[in-house]
This record gives sequence, C-alpha cells and structure tokens, in this order.
Amino acid sequence: DSGVTQTPKHLITATGQRVTLRCSPRSGDLSVYWYQQSLDQGLQFLIQYYNGEERAKGNILERFSAQQFPDLHSELNLSSLELGDSALYFCASSVGDVDKNIQYFGAGTRLSVL
Amino acid sequence: AQTVTQSQPEMSVQEAETVTLSCTYDTSESDYYLFWYKQPPSRQMILVIRQEAYKQQNATENRFSVNFQKAAKSFSLKISDSQLGDAAMYFCAYKGYSTLTFGKGTMLLVSP
Repeated sequence: DSGVTQTPKHLITATGQRVTLRCSPRSGDLSVYWYQQSLDQGLQFLIQYYNGEERAKGNILERFSAQQFPDLHSELNLSSLELGDSALYFCASSVGDVDKNIQYFGAGTRLSVL
Repeated sequence: AQTVTQSQPEMSVQEAETVTLSCTYDTSESDYYLFWYKQPPSRQMILVIRQEAYKQQNATENRFSVNFQKAAKSFSLKISDSQLGDAAMYFCAYKGYSTLTFGKGTMLLVSP
C-alpha cells in the first residue's frame, strides 16, 4: 500500500459527460501529480500541484482541470468526455516541489467512456 | 525534452533465472534521477529501484540491481532469481528538473 488513495476505482460514463476523480496523498506529502495511462500514449504526465498551487503542466487537455484543496487532497475534473478519454488515471504524491523525491502512486481510477 | 526508450516490448524468463531489462534515455541535464517502476496485473505502480545520477555506485534492492552507465545514458534493470510474482510491466522513468518521463514499458513473463 503506497498510502495514496484514489477514488473511485472504476468509472463508467457516456460521451459528453463530466466526471471527477479524487486523490488523497500520503501523509506529509505536499505535491500531487496526475497521470493518464492509455494503450496508445503510454503513461503521460498531466499536471502537478504543490501545496494548493499549480506547479507544472503536461499534456493536459483544456477539457480537463484539476485543483488541490487546503487539506491537500486533489480532484481531476474531466468534462465533455470523448471515447478517447478512456484510460487509467493515476495520482501520485511526493514530499517536495521541484526536487527529485520519489513519487508514490495510487491504485488508479479506470475510466471507461461509452 | 527528455526521452526514455525501452527497446524490449516483451521479455521472458524462467523461475530462478536472471533477466535484464534495457533502458536508454536522452538528456542534456547533469543532475537527475532514474527509476524502475513495476506494474503488475493489479495496475498499481510500484517503485522497484532508484538511481541518483551523481552516484557512481549502482543501486541494489534485494534481487533487483541496476547497471547505470551515465556516459552511454543507459540504465538497465537486472532481476536475479526470478519469481512468478515478478511478472509485470516494467517502466523505466527519468526525473530531472522537469516532470517524470516514462518509457513505453517492457512486459516481463515468468514461467515455472
């Protein structure tokens, strides 16, 4: 158990809908990262938050947004969903901001868009 | 931008044997970390081993060790005494000043 909690484990929805994925980092970790894992694109970094502020942005679509709350949990919002958004979404956390600390991953949320 | 290449989509090994997974990376940074993550069928991403670029000594964690060749930008993972539980997708990852970048992965099959 990495200590990073993601809910829900599975999500099935329809095209055009909006969903919210939730992540609770390990105790003491201030950074939260979101990744998307799909068959064709592999593991891709989406966005990082550190202590409530956006720190880095990767290949995140404009239809996607995230935030980190004062209690450090984070939510990834996916809207106007398309079939191609079906993927495994991981959250990871680490202690620091731009340092090289280990990122610990949650178990992921499997999103299926039908 | 940094890139990570895993040239072996799939590898096979028998129980108790040794297998080596290859990884190369491209970077102009001098300070960085390299990682191997394991993803079993449960889909959980599990850290296997970490190497700091400024350390010449190769990292070792029980049956897992790396061969880090900085000049060649190579970072291979050796698994000794392979076990059925080692069967998984293995990802090589690079972390410099930017974000964590993953390779495409190598699927390791372990046969009895």
